[in-house]
Amino acid sequence: DIVMTQSPDSLAVSLGERATINCKSSQSVLYSSNDNNYLAWYQQKPGQPPKLLIYWASTRESGVPDRFSGSGSGTDFTLTISSLQAEDVAVYYCQQYYSSPCSFGQGTKLEIK
Amino acid sequence: EVQLLESGGGLVQPGGSLRLSCAASGFTFTNYAMTWVRQAPGKGLEWVSGISSSGDSTFYADSVKGRFTISRDNSKNTLYLQMNSLRAEDTAVYYCAKDGCADVICYFDYWGQGTLVTVSS
Repeated sequence: DIVMTQSPDSLAVSLGERATINCKSSQSVLYSSNDNNYLAWYQQKPGQPPKLLIYWASTRESGVPDRFSGSGSGTDFTLTISSLQAEDVAVYYCQQYYSSPCSFGQGTKLEIK
Repeated sequence: EVQLLESGGGLVQPGGSLRLSCAASGFTFTNYAMTWVRQAPGKGLEWVSGISSSGDSTFYADSVKGRFTISRDNSKNTLYLQMNSLRAEDTAVYYCAKDGCADVICYFDYWGQGTLVTVSS
């Protein structure tokens, strides 16, 4: 099974500053035949279900603000929030869907400094 | 508008059974795989089970294999999770989620609000 490890576990960033969350998979999630990375990012606010932000490692879901971006390939991925807004306070999860069982990272709690 | 409405959660004793349902609307249900994801209180997300668009293929986490059964009724646009031999560690909010893909489990683009399952004596 593929293990997803996020860093850091928690993060405090000032409003308007950049926030960076990392995700590492225990094996590559890049499918060479189509050059796609099978990696998604979710945002979960308290008392709410998760919300899809990014899929295929860098494709932003419709309606997601462009301050959110995803990058990386193979085993190392990054979610970047270019200019933190108050409404971005949440827990963020990465997920691999390269192989079954799909798996999530442990989550990164993002707060305002 | 896509809507996923879970039901069937509640308090059950260890060893008991529950059947969760997820009524889907706002999209062509027969075109997409569907998934159950759970979240224990204060913990992270755990994928539980998935089913292809046709229902021909099913997938399970090792933690529930042999105890849980996923199914779907495409005529009723409804997803199910039959949970047997429940354990305290199955206590969680169970989310129904729509896959972005048809026949394999991939990313989850819509989620229900969840239903709480509590396993306790």
